Formats: sequence, structure tokens, C-alpha cells
Amino acid sequence: EDQVTQSPEALRLQEGESSSLNCSYTVSGLRGLFWYRQDPGKGPEFLFTLYSAGEEKEKERLKATLTKKESFLHITAPKPEDSATYLCAVRANFNKFYFGSGTKLNVKP
Amino acid sequence: DAGVIQSPRHEVTEMGQEVTLRCKPISGHNSLFWYRQTMMRGLELLIYFNNNVPIDDSGMPEDRFSAKMPNASFSTLKIQPSEPRDSAVYFCASSDRERGQGNQPQHFGDGTRLSIL
Repeated sequence: EDQVTQSPEALRLQEGESSSLNCSYTVSGLRGLFWYRQDPGKGPEFLFTLYSAGEEKEKERLKATLTKKESFLHITAPKPEDSATYLCAVRANFNKFYFGSGTKLNVKP
Repeated sequence: DAGVIQSPRHEVTEMGQEVTLRCKPISGHNSLFWYRQTMMRGLELLIYFNNNVPIDDSGMPEDRFSAKMPNASFSTLKIQPSEPRDSAVYFCASSDRERGQGNQPQHFGDGTRLSIL
């Protein structure tokens, strides 16, 4: 059964304390893995697309990596404005799209 | 640049009433998606259109739900009759046509918060 699982569900960090969010997936034919950020009352905002194992993408304090079974979103020296829910999504064969349940990140000053 | 526009932002109605949610995708995008988000189930894909044609509606929960895309710039999601368990935030997203390696990201509207009493 196709599945996307994110961990942890919630993460509290001090400002400047680096950490990683995990997205593990089991799907029939990965066509792309996407990371989104969602703020309260807003729709998900696109961050990165990864296509193949070994690929990495970076944007400011965020870096996304991909293996054959999981993806990590690394947050380096986070700031309070990085607080949000981070969602992972997978496109699989036959135009199937799956979202993980998200990691709620809270960065304290 | 205008993003995906959804209306209304909030809808409160009584059980049994018809509800219509509206979406204007980003101009030039050829794929449109309707999602439902709840605390219990997260984001669930309801239906997906490509070039105004429904490609996959396997996520539509019941016959009470229907979606249309009469042209490239407008889509509706209708619930008739509505039930309290339909209460959720409904998102519309659009994506550009695939090119090269393909798989353009989806761009989301800010959703419609639906409450069925």
C-alpha cells in the first residue's frame, strides 16, 4: 500500500539549534517528492522538488535530500520565522499524489 | 502575480444544504487539484483535472460530492446534500504543464474553511 510518513509529528527548537525532519515513503514508482511549508490559515507553499536518490536542493536555511526510501529536510540555525508545519508529498505512478501528515516546527527565540 | 484564488474563504451552513466552492487556477496552468484537509486525515486528494478533463476522482468520498471544470480558468466543487462530517478546509491547487523531467509543483490557494452545522 502506498504510504508517506513524516516524523516527528512536532518539533520544538531553540533559535540556532539545527535539526532534521524525516519523510519516509513506500509508493509504486516515485515520480517526484515535494516539500511544502504551511502557515496557519494558509495553503501549503512550495519549497522543493526532488526526483532521484542522491539529489539535494537548498534554499536559505533549508536543505532537502532524497534517498530511495526517505527524504530529509535539514534546517540549519533556524529562526522563529521558520516556525510552520512542513509537509512532504509524493507523486507516484498512475498520477497518484500522497501527502504526509506533516511536522509542526516551533522555533523559540 | 496572482496565485490560486478560492472563494468563499469561510462557509457556514446547515446540514442538508448545497455547498459550492470555487477556484480560479493560476493562468496558464493546465492541471487542477481539489484537496480536503482535516486534523484526523491530513491532506487528501479528492479529484484531479488535466486540461479541464477529470483524470482521477477516486478520492471523492461519496456521490454527494461533484466537481466540474468548464474552462481553464474556473472549477467548482459541490456538496449536495452537505453533512457535518464534511466540515474541513478545502484547498484547490494548480500546476503548470510538465516539461523536461516533468512533475511541476502544485501551487495552493488559501482554502475554504467549511463548517456544516
